Amino acid sequence: QVTLKESGPGILQPSQTLSLTCSFSGFSLSTYGMCVGWIRQSSGKGLEWLANIWWNDDKYYNPSLKNRLTISKDTSNNQAFLKITNMDTADTATYYCARSERYTTDSPDYWGQGVMVTVSS
Amino acid sequence: DIQMTQSPASLSASLGETVSIECLASEDIYNNLAWYQQKPGKSPQLLIYYASSLQDGVPSRFSGSGSGTQYSLKINSLESEDAATYFCLQDSEYPWTFGGGTKLELK
Repeated sequence: QVTLKESGPGILQPSQTLSLTCSFSGFSLSTYGMCVGWIRQSSGKGLEWLANIWWNDDKYYNPSLKNRLTISKDTSNNQAFLKITNMDTADTATYYCARSERYTTDSPDYWGQGVMVTVSS
Repeated sequence: DIQMTQSPASLSASLGETVSIECLASEDIYNNLAWYQQKPGKSPQLLIYYASSLQDGVPSRFSGSGSGTQYSLKINSLESEDAATYFCLQDSEYPWTFGGGTKLELK
């Protein structure tokens, strides 16, 4: 059974760095074709894909966030991470992690429940 | 970036009716198109991948079609549980991009 769960600070101030953790079970990020990605959803901008990390450590980022994103993984502990620097009120959103598996569905098939992040001074 | 234009933005239909939702890509996405259903307070659930493949466990009244730049999701014989927001996602090219969503209301 595949499950994912996001965790994060809940609230932070403008200019701070957001650190999110995705803890998952039921698959391994060391398995060929596996990927964990991050997607966010705000009322103003709908769903926005942020970043992916693949089993072979290939990483892809949404250029709209320029150089603010860093994705990483800890295969031994079944976790993936996302850091976003220089947070702004416009980054207030629910952040999801999701699994993709190349050569099966390819598209994100299992999602976490999401974690709400509010940026406010 | 590939732009995904989804229509309509909202839709009202009766139980038992059939509805369609469209996604138009700004360039060919070679069937790399997924459809999701999202209910309030919940995460998106995958319905269709590769434009027309039904995800395991999804009722057969959901179907996807299309090619090139034009894709559609069809829901036959609407049931009350189908009230939700539906999104398309193109994962043909980075950055992956979503459609704006279609809110389906049941009369």
